[in-house]
Amino acid sequence: GENVEQHPSTLSVQEGDSAVIKCTYSDSASNYFPWYKQELGKGPQLIIDIRSNVGEKKDQRIAVTLNKTAKHFSLHITETQPEDSAVYFCAAKDTGRRALTFGSGTRLQVQP
Amino acid sequence: KAGVTQTPRYLIKTRGQQVTLSCSPISGHRSVSWYQQTPGQGLQFLFEYFSETQRNKGNFPGRFSGRQFSNSRSEMNVSTLELGDSALYLCASSLAGGEREQYFGPGTRLTVT
Repeated sequence: GENVEQHPSTLSVQEGDSAVIKCTYSDSASNYFPWYKQELGKGPQLIIDIRSNVGEKKDQRIAVTLNKTAKHFSLHITETQPEDSAVYFCAAKDTGRRALTFGSGTRLQVQP
Repeated sequence: KAGVTQTPRYLIKTRGQQVTLSCSPISGHRSVSWYQQTPGQGLQFLFEYFSETQRNKGNFPGRFSGRQFSNSRSEMNVSTLELGDSALYLCASSLAGGEREQYFGPGTRLTVT
């Protein structure tokens, strides 16, 4: 099955700085890679996703890049704000199952 | 459009009991997936239902089961609860599963004592 590794586990940045979270996946057939943000006491919220036929996708301050050859994808948040503080999860769609395999999460703290 | 709703939000049960959790997907969504979230194991897939049929299953024991109704609402059941079943149980709805976006509910926090 699919295996997703996520780094770093914690990340602290100053307000206004950029944050980058990286994930690698094992199944070269995986073709869908969403990112979720989870705030305390809430379920994961889909913030951006990318499919394997695209190398980069951007939505305002958030961007995701995908390198299929290296089997890794990254989340980039620019001009971070305190409300960006949360746990971020990457995921890959297991093509053998209709399920998402998640990374272990990154706790992002944005210091005002 | 209303989001995914889960009931109850919090539940405390005793070892050996059974529990049923409910999930109502976003209107028009026909696929419901269930995940277990724990600090040690992270987010793990339990099973997916589509049009009242279980389409896929994760690596959980048979004590974990589910079903889906004709209105796409889904329930999951855990029998003979163990302390290790304490977790946040999340359901996610999708238009049709596959490579379509999944939207999560707020979860049900189950504590087994």
